[in-house]
Amino acid sequence: AQSVAQPEDQVNVAEGNPLTVKCTYSVSGNPYLFWYVQYPNRGLQFLLKYITGDNLVKGSYGFEAEFNKSQTSFHLKKPSALVSDSALYFCAVREMNRDDKIIFGKGTRLHILP
Amino acid sequence: SQTIHQWPATLVQPVGSPLSLECTVEGTSNPNLYWYRQAAGRGLQLLFYSVGIGQISSEVPQNLSASRPQDRQFILSSKKLLLSDSGFYLCAWSKGGRYNEQFFGPGTRLTVL
Repeated sequence: AQSVAQPEDQVNVAEGNPLTVKCTYSVSGNPYLFWYVQYPNRGLQFLLKYITGDNLVKGSYGFEAEFNKSQTSFHLKKPSALVSDSALYFCAVREMNRDDKIIFGKGTRLHILP
Repeated sequence: SQTIHQWPATLVQPVGSPLSLECTVEGTSNPNLYWYRQAAGRGLQLLFYSVGIGQISSEVPQNLSASRPQDRQFILSSKKLLLSDSGFYLCAWSKGGRYNEQFFGPGTRLTVL
């Protein structure tokens, strides 16, 4: 069965520093991976996805994610954090042979300290 | 462009009362539709999904039900709310196919007292 893990409940980063939010996955076959962001009392917003091709995927708001097949990871990154990046981040994986379902991680709360 | 609407935005209901939350999508046809519940601002629990009119799949047995009376309308219902039904309810849509991401509505905050 497919699964996705976000090992950190919370990540604190100083403004201007690079940030990384970790995600690992377990799938049978090729993974289809997604990152979402959620601001307080709002719905989730799609940031980026990996389907195939380049291991470095660029997305919205200056975020990017690095797909690493050998480590089964899909970490979210940004070179320089902004206070406005503070939010809840979800990693997700498409369930194989179930085009209609996405499995979400438990979320990582990112705090950017001014 | 596509948009997704949910209403109401907030709702306070007594235990044992009925529930009806509505979700509509504009700008696309035959979307996949989803209902999620999020408790305490953390993980998402998939409740129901639908790949077409009248086609509903339930992920978790509970006192909630879902219906899709029209192509772009998805309704979450309950006959009698429980305290444990409190949470943030999110509707989402996607195009069919494994490459496509989901797009979420603004959510409904439900408090059952």
